[in-house]
Amino acid sequence: GAVVSQHPSWVICKSGTSVKIECRSLDFQATTMFWYRQFPKQSLMLMATSNEGSKATYEQGVEKDKFLINHASLTLSTLTVTSAHPEDSSFYICSARGQGEKLFFGSGTQLSVL
Amino acid sequence: DAKTTQPTSMDCAEGRAANLPCNHSTISGNEYVYWYRQIHSQGPQYIIHGLKNNETNEMASLIITEDRKSSTLILPHATLRDTAVYYCIVRVQYGGSQGNLIFGKGTKLSVKP
Repeated sequence: GAVVSQHPSWVICKSGTSVKIECRSLDFQATTMFWYRQFPKQSLMLMATSNEGSKATYEQGVEKDKFLINHASLTLSTLTVTSAHPEDSSFYICSARGQGEKLFFGSGTQLSVL
Repeated sequence: DAKTTQPTSMDCAEGRAANLPCNHSTISGNEYVYWYRQIHSQGPQYIIHGLKNNETNEMASLIITEDRKSSTLILPHATLRDTAVYYCIVRVQYGGSQGNLIFGKGTKLSVKP
């Protein structure tokens, strides 16, 4: 089946620094990728929709200047958490729409901001 | 908001069938029922989806009622590795540039020895 690779799996950073998370579709092209965030014991919440070659669409309440999304190719989308703070600590998950309209998910990135 | 209602948690004995119910009474005619599961600290995994006919694959079976207002995911022989949160999601299949999935709280299935 289709594979979505997400990197890194976990990251620890100091408050105020920026962190970049990569999401790659390994064996298919994805014009649309989605970024989710999940806090402990809660469900996944959609943050933004990433479209190749155009600006991302952010959900209400998600700061576009804080969570920078770049989808420069059909197989790569990146999420950069700028000036990260402890409240940004969360599990970030990307997904890509593959053949047959199934969504395939990355393995997630656990971000811990000290 | 999610359009589905699922029990918060369920237990199942290893080797037995796990039947996970889902209510989606407001489902529209063009919306499919999707099931995903999330094992702890991993990304969600696709299981199965269907429109109105029952579906079966190597992982599970999906039974959709005739009025499409509810469905049941069946894991025929649950193993300890099936312990996860199971999400039932309704969505139009061709969602255009969106097509994202809206996750509810899901059902935490615990498979016990």
